[in-house]
Amino acid sequence: DTEVTQTPKHLVMGMTNKKSLKCEQHMGHRAMYWYKQKAKKPPELMFVYSYEKLSINESVPSRFSPECPNSSLLNLHLHALQPEDSALYLCASSQGPDRAGANVLTFGAGSRLTVL
Amino acid sequence: AQTVTQSQPEMSVQEAETVTLSCTYDTSESDYYLFWYKQPPSRQMILVIRQEAYKQQNATENRFSVNFQKAAKSFSLKISDSQLGDAAMYFCAFNNAGNMLTFGGGTRLMVKP
Repeated sequence: DTEVTQTPKHLVMGMTNKKSLKCEQHMGHRAMYWYKQKAKKPPELMFVYSYEKLSINESVPSRFSPECPNSSLLNLHLHALQPEDSALYLCASSQGPDRAGANVLTFGAGSRLTVL
Repeated sequence: AQTVTQSQPEMSVQEAETVTLSCTYDTSESDYYLFWYKQPPSRQMILVIRQEAYKQQNATENRFSVNFQKAAKSFSLKISDSQLGDAAMYFCAFNNAGNMLTFGGGTRLMVKP
């Protein structure tokens, strides 16, 4: 299995809703990432987990709450989002931080989020 | 902090022709890695090619090759024999030893039949 699977593919939510995005990989990768991508822009890093521990938080608002229950699964919990949070959310994984610079990130197909 | 610049927002190429996408970067690091990712309308980011900074030889992957000029901090992507399926957004990316991947602004490549 060489894929990163993200669900749901599309999500529409109101500003008062609570929802979650899910990401799964079975490649034995030990680093997982959340990126946010606005239309016609490059992905922006949000969070990095290494060995199931949060290692990087790029000053993301607390209405985004990441969770890494195990080495294969990464969640992004969403609460009280704003319309400007509408974007494509990409999950990625890589082998791990031991040779971080050499790591190739494998991306999922993304979850398209619309906040009304 | 590292920066990655792609100066061509859009490029077009005739099918079967060759096109070169430009990328420059700025870093004080000596050990780093450079990547080209492709993002078609299906949204999935796909690795096209990667280059280790310590290697002088330019990386190649079938129809894709890079021209890596370390002193000039330049990392261009050449696509030979362009195909309709090559149409996509192409992102140049830089990765140092800290798990951080920095992307350029992207170049939209259109392939004309």
